[in-house]
Amino acid sequence: GQNIDQPTEMTATEGAIVQINCTYQTSGFNGLFWYQQHAGEAPTFLSYNVLDGLEEKGRFSSFLSRSKGYSYLLLKELQMKDSASYLCAVLDSNYQLIWGAGTKLIIKP
Amino acid sequence: GAVVSQHPSWVICKSGTSVKIECRSLDFQATTMFWYRQFPKQSLMLMATSNEGSKATYEQGVEKDKFLINHASLTLSTLTVTSAHPEDSSFYICSAARASGIDNEQFFGPGTRLTVL
Repeated sequence: GQNIDQPTEMTATEGAIVQINCTYQTSGFNGLFWYQQHAGEAPTFLSYNVLDGLEEKGRFSSFLSRSKGYSYLLLKELQMKDSASYLCAVLDSNYQLIWGAGTKLIIKP
Repeated sequence: GAVVSQHPSWVICKSGTSVKIECRSLDFQATTMFWYRQFPKQSLMLMATSNEGSKATYEQGVEKDKFLINHASLTLSTLTVTSAHPEDSSFYICSAARASGIDNEQFFGPGTRLTVL
């Protein structure tokens, strides 16, 4: 079967750095997405990785290792508004998005 | 660019009635639109995928006669929840994928919160 694993919940301090991991086993791979979802709102796109390596975009960076079936989202200089759920999703060989359950990130002052 | 709207943003209805939710891509043509349902504290669950002018493809366990999807144009898809019951209360989110740009990158609507009394 297809499976995406990410931690259920993480806590971090304002101004710090946090890394949210995602591991996947899917039938084929056509890219991995990270989305941010605030409570009661729809997800918003953060990043897309299809090649190995690190993609940096401002305070957020995303890393991919296809051989290990592993990705992480790195958030720097955490702000209170970063409190949200972070969803990892993989595009499989049929171009279907397979979603992880999301990681709830709690930021403390 | 790549804005998706949904209407209504929230709706409360009586059990047994039908509710229609609209999803529009405002500034691009969406080759494919997706309908998701999200229960509290759970991940998004794909309900169906629809391509303009053709029948929607429903995920296993989703009743096609209960959740009617119409994708009449490249900018509009509708989801009708027929004979709604309290267990259908959920957050319904649509997304749209465009032909250009990242393969199958999905742009999400703001969601519709449905409460069935």
